[in-house]
Amino acid sequence: AQTVTQSQPEMSVQEAETVTLSCTYDTSESDYYLFWYKQPPSRQMILVIRQEAYKQQNATENRFSVNFQKAAKSFSLKISDSQLGDAAMYFCAYLVPGSARQLTFGSGTQLTVLP
Amino acid sequence: EPEVTQTPSHQVTQMGQEVILRCVPISNHLYFYWYRQILGQKVEFLVSFYNNEISEKSEIFDDQFSVERPDGSNFTLKIRSTKLEDSAMYFCAKTGSSYNEQFFGPGTRLTVL
Repeated sequence: AQTVTQSQPEMSVQEAETVTLSCTYDTSESDYYLFWYKQPPSRQMILVIRQEAYKQQNATENRFSVNFQKAAKSFSLKISDSQLGDAAMYFCAYLVPGSARQLTFGSGTQLTVLP
Repeated sequence: EPEVTQTPSHQVTQMGQEVILRCVPISNHLYFYWYRQILGQKVEFLVSFYNNEISEKSEIFDDQFSVERPDGSNFTLKIRSTKLEDSAMYFCAKTGSSYNEQFFGPGTRLTVL
């Protein structure tokens, strides 16, 4: 069974600084996708960034980027120039392509942005 | 991406009552998903629905749960006899232009008293 582990229940960062959230996963699959979702206090789940396992290049979306280390099964999220609006719970998630395509989530990291 | 909407935003019910949670309006999508998030916990997969049939379901999705697409657009999750432990946020999700990414609705907060 696939598992996703987020070892940092809480993180904080100063506004305008950079923070990195960690995620590791366990799988025997060779083809899969990894995601980071943001959940603000409204509890909406917002897709932040996606990484395909077959791509060596790390995904980037504006201030958000990932460090994907396939051999180490590590998938960290870097937030640059942190803003107050980045404060949220961040979930790492994993998906195997196929008929079901269900997402498996980690337990989340609560990010606080300090003014 | 087109929005996924859910109704109601908050549902309060008595234990043992039936509830129906809805994804509306959705058209021209083949894949749908329901997830659950108990307060303070991670998001858990319940069921996937492809081409009007259940594709896969988790061990959480027992006989108390059912899903339907009754009119070709709405996508419903029914809980027949609610329990206290069913209190959670329930999210509907759909695939995007890539079938390998999912976009979530705003969720329905279910409170069972």
